[in-house]
Amino acid sequence: DIQMTQSPSSLSASVGDRVTITCRASQNINTYLNWYQHKPGKAPKFLISAASRLQSGVPSRFSGSGSGTDFTLTISNLQPEDFATYYCQQSFSTPVFGPGTKVD
Amino acid sequence: QVQLVESGGGVVHPGRSLRLSCAASGFSFRSYGMHWVRQAPGKGLEWVAIIWHDGINKYYADSVKGRFTISRDNSNGTVYLQMNSLRGDDTAVYYCARNVDGGSSSWFDPWGQGTPVTVSS
Repeated sequence: DIQMTQSPSSLSASVGDRVTITCRASQNINTYLNWYQHKPGKAPKFLISAASRLQSGVPSRFSGSGSGTDFTLTISNLQPEDFATYYCQQSFSTPVFGPGTKVD
Repeated sequence: QVQLVESGGGVVHPGRSLRLSCAASGFSFRSYGMHWVRQAPGKGLEWVAIIWHDGINKYYADSVKGRFTISRDNSNGTVYLQMNSLRGDDTAVYYCARNVDGGSSSWFDPWGQGTPVTVSS
């Protein structure tokens, strides 16, 4: 099975900061990598598909990059509504989520 | 608009059963695969199961294989999760999500608000 890791597990940031979250797959997944945002008590929200394709309606301050085993999610100019937990998820095989990165 | 609404969660004793439902609206339900995903208290997201659009192919996480069954009724736009032999580590909020196949990837969008399941004696 493909394993997913994320770093850091949590980070402290301020409004206006640039935040980078790393996701690593245990084997080559090409660009079969998605990102989600999850706030407590809310439905998770889909952000990015295929490593870098921004979902319609997602602010352009969110961006994704990477291929193979190493991926990043970057939030430039962090906004108050961006404080949440972010998950990567591989769709190369049976879905697996990363453990999450809490941004607070 | 596209909407998913889960129901059926609750408190149940270990070893008992529970059936969750997810009602879909706002899209052609019979054209999409559907997932169940859960989040245990203080933990991350864990994929549970998927059922293909036609209800024929189904896949499960190892943690629930043989105990949980996913099914769907395309005539009323609902996907189900039958959970048997429940254990304490099945305690979680259970979400349903639509599978979207974009060719170069597939993803979960949208998600429901979730229904909580507590397994406790």
